[in-house]
Amino acid sequence: DTGVSQNPRHKITKRGQNVTFRCDPISEHNRLYWYRQTLGQGPEFLTYFQNEAQLEKSRLLSDRFSAERPKGSFSTLEIQRTEQGDSAMYLCASSLTGRTDTQYFGPGTRLTVL
Amino acid sequence: AQSVTQLGSHVSVSEGALVLLRCNYSSSVPPYLFWYVQYPNQGLQLLLKYTSAATLVKGINGFEAEFKKSETSFHLTKPSAHMSDAAEYFCAVSEDYQLIWGAGTKLIIKP
Repeated sequence: DTGVSQNPRHKITKRGQNVTFRCDPISEHNRLYWYRQTLGQGPEFLTYFQNEAQLEKSRLLSDRFSAERPKGSFSTLEIQRTEQGDSAMYLCASSLTGRTDTQYFGPGTRLTVL
Repeated sequence: AQSVTQLGSHVSVSEGALVLLRCNYSSSVPPYLFWYVQYPNQGLQLLLKYTSAATLVKGINGFEAEFKKSETSFHLTKPSAHMSDAAEYFCAVSEDYQLIWGAGTKLIIKP
């Protein structure tokens, strides 16, 4: 068990550019989640996958955001036409299927949009 | 909808003193509750969780929390603070597929 990994750890981009983040979950976990965290706040749910199926998306996830999890393994989160308001820490977590199962978090990707 | 309130964005205690971080929840169903810790530049790490078994839950690093249904609370305690406990602590409630989070409490340890 190597834990959840995320790449890159930091991303600085200019407004209007596209960015893509990657998350590698714990291998036996079939659920994968994306959250966003801004300074001084708790994480906010964005979306989650059960295996390769994206089952829920938050209203926070505008049309500029898209997430994929091909073959139920790693996941990518893409933000198109970035805005300064997208600056945040993007967290990925994975878990087994139950409501009581612990979500294990990666170290996050910090996005700064200039 | 479920929600979590953490009282105190910052809590300061002296090394060796009792740590008490407050969490109140709102839930229309029996809640499953979690405490996570976040050290600077690191991911969230689970401290402990309540899943309707024992109401007093013991976690890592000497922390424990007590589920009190009548008070809708799940406060986190540690008898004696260490400098290494300085971090941000988040309480969360499980709502089906997602965790609903409080705003966090930054714990400051005074030498």
